[in-house]
Amino acid sequence: DAGVTQSPTHLIKTRGQHVTLRCSPISGHKSVSWYQQVLGQGPQFIFQYYEKEERGRGNFPDRFSARQFPNYSSELNVNALLLGDSALYLCASSRDGDTQYFGPGTRLTVL
Amino acid sequence: QQQVKQSPQSLIVQKGGISIINCAYENTAFDYFPWYQQFPGKGPALLIAIRPDVSEKKEGRFTISFNKSAKQFSLHIMDSQPGDSATYFCAASKNNNDMRFGAGTRLTVKP
Repeated sequence: DAGVTQSPTHLIKTRGQHVTLRCSPISGHKSVSWYQQVLGQGPQFIFQYYEKEERGRGNFPDRFSARQFPNYSSELNVNALLLGDSALYLCASSRDGDTQYFGPGTRLTVL
Repeated sequence: QQQVKQSPQSLIVQKGGISIINCAYENTAFDYFPWYQQFPGKGPALLIAIRPDVSEKKEGRFTISFNKSAKQFSLHIMDSQPGDSATYFCAASKNNNDMRFGAGTRLTVKP
């Protein structure tokens, strides 16, 4: 089976712009979680979706939003980008939220 | 947002030695404790995980020891190999949601 896939791999944006990151979970997995990983730190929880409903939200501003589609894929949207949003954005999928399998991430650079 | 404290920040071990990484948590509601391995440019990969109803779990060369009363858990890597050189993260979650990660330990295994 294919693992979690994320697109794009890399992205360069300027301050104030908007970005959309995409994630396809492992087949059969109904839960998707998003994390932000700043260089040299552990991943920080942003959102979790299960069966298209938001199940949890971390301590991130309202500029961050997400949604899950009927095929369980997911999008993370970030508005009004700041320099501090530069990070590796990770998507993880699981059947029900505990055993999470991570994708390779999207490297976002904000200039 | 960090509720999981991980130590040491970096670790150097000789080939064949034992690598030990420790984590402490605050929230007694956490009920799932995984360890992840991350190589540069890759997403974290699940190594081994434990729930608080057991005190130890072993999978191959990797063992988790869990002390519920002390709110601590550790990862032991037996017979460490140069290929084990990576960054290791402990994590904790409750109700299959909102996973919190430690800051990471960079392990170097010298040949």
